[in-house]
Amino acid sequence: NAGVTQTPKFRILKIGQSMTLQCTQDMNHNYMYWYRQDPGMGLKLIYYSVGAGITDKGEVPNGYNVSRSTTEDFPLRLELAAPSQTSVYFCASTHRNTEAFFGQGTRLTVV
Amino acid sequence: AQKVTQAQTEISVVEKEDVTLDCVYETRDTTYYLFWYKQPPSGELVFLIRRNSFDEQNEISGRYSWNFQKSTSSFNFTITASQVVDSAVYFCALSEGPGGGADGLTFGKGTHLIIQP
Repeated sequence: NAGVTQTPKFRILKIGQSMTLQCTQDMNHNYMYWYRQDPGMGLKLIYYSVGAGITDKGEVPNGYNVSRSTTEDFPLRLELAAPSQTSVYFCASTHRNTEAFFGQGTRLTVV
Repeated sequence: AQKVTQAQTEISVVEKEDVTLDCVYETRDTTYYLFWYKQPPSGELVFLIRRNSFDEQNEISGRYSWNFQKSTSSFNFTITASQVVDSAVYFCALSEGPGGGADGLTFGKGTHLIIQP
């Protein structure tokens, strides 16, 4: 069982570039989330989705966009990368009574 | 709004010592869930335990134990006879749903635990 898969694992972006962080899960989970983790801080919720076609903002959504066209995939889009978006990004999924399953994380550096 | 406070930024102990990581939470929900996650140096998040607000029984799993007290809004984590492999950042988290619900998990800032040989 693959669980939650994130790609890429590492990426360096230049200021102003755009990229998409991919997240896919094979557990048929309804709920999916994107978090970011900054040094010395806990994870903060960027966006979440309760099902295909439904997304909503979390605590820190500025500078990001998401889509949820299928149950399996929940990509996170950065349109104009800024140094403040340097962080580790985690995707997670859950369903009903399960605990959240996290991906391995994507370490993004914006220079 | 929900809030999780882990006042201990970093703890350093010598191997085989017992150590307790503190977690205090705030929520207006009557039903909620509390979690502990471990983040080893490799960076992944490892689920340790989940507790719902109606179950205040303490839990023991090997060298790990958890003390949930609603009266003090605390969910503390104790490692007995610590080992070097326990070195990691530990996060306490809170949510309205079993896995995060509609609003996801609210995390504390984490406690960096260092076990010295």
